Amino acid sequence: KAGVTQTPRYLIKTRGQQVTLSCSPISGHRSVSWYQQTPGQGLQFLFEYFSETQRNKGNFPGRFSGRQFSNSRSEMNVSTLELGDSALYLCASSLSSSGANVLTFGAGSRLTVL
Amino acid sequence: QQQVKQSPQSLIVQKGGISIINCAYENTAFDYFPWYQQFPGKGPALLIAIRPDVSEKKEGRFTISFNKSAKQFSLHIMDSQPGDSATYFCAASMRHSGAGSYQLTFGKGTKLSVIP
Repeated sequence: KAGVTQTPRYLIKTRGQQVTLSCSPISGHRSVSWYQQTPGQGLQFLFEYFSETQRNKGNFPGRFSGRQFSNSRSEMNVSTLELGDSALYLCASSLSSSGANVLTFGAGSRLTVL
Repeated sequence: QQQVKQSPQSLIVQKGGISIINCAYENTAFDYFPWYQQFPGKGPALLIAIRPDVSEKKEGRFTISFNKSAKQFSLHIMDSQPGDSATYFCAASMRHSGAGSYQLTFGKGTKLSVIP
């Protein structure tokens, strides 16, 4: 069974640009969550999508957005990049059953903003 | 406000020793407490998890101890091996009201080094 696939794995952008990251969840998983990981702040929740709807959002500015497609694949976008956006962006998928969310993470997309 | 506090930041243990990582939480609405293990270049992977109605859970060499009244939980790694060297994150989850969504709040992580 394939795991969570994130592309691209590495990318370098300059301030003011925008970036789109992609996530393919485990087959059958309908919930996709995004987290930002930095050395200083650790892992912080960005947002969660289920059935193409954003169900939950963390405390990030509006420059961070996402969407989910009918096949459960998800993308996140960061506009007007800032140096502080340099981070590992992790996508996680889950079955989103009635119990606690057991997340399976991808390897992440490492974004460097110059 | 950091809702899950994790200590220590780093830990060095001899092979065969016991590694202990502690976490404390503030929000009593949390109802699920997982631990994740992350190796360099990889995403976090679920190691073991516990619910607050249980005081201890053991899976192989890994044990979670949970103290609901103190709002603390800890991970014990028995017979630590060099292959256990990784960063460990505790987390807490609660249901996002009305939306059926769960959100994980992570501790800052503990970098464990097991030396031969």
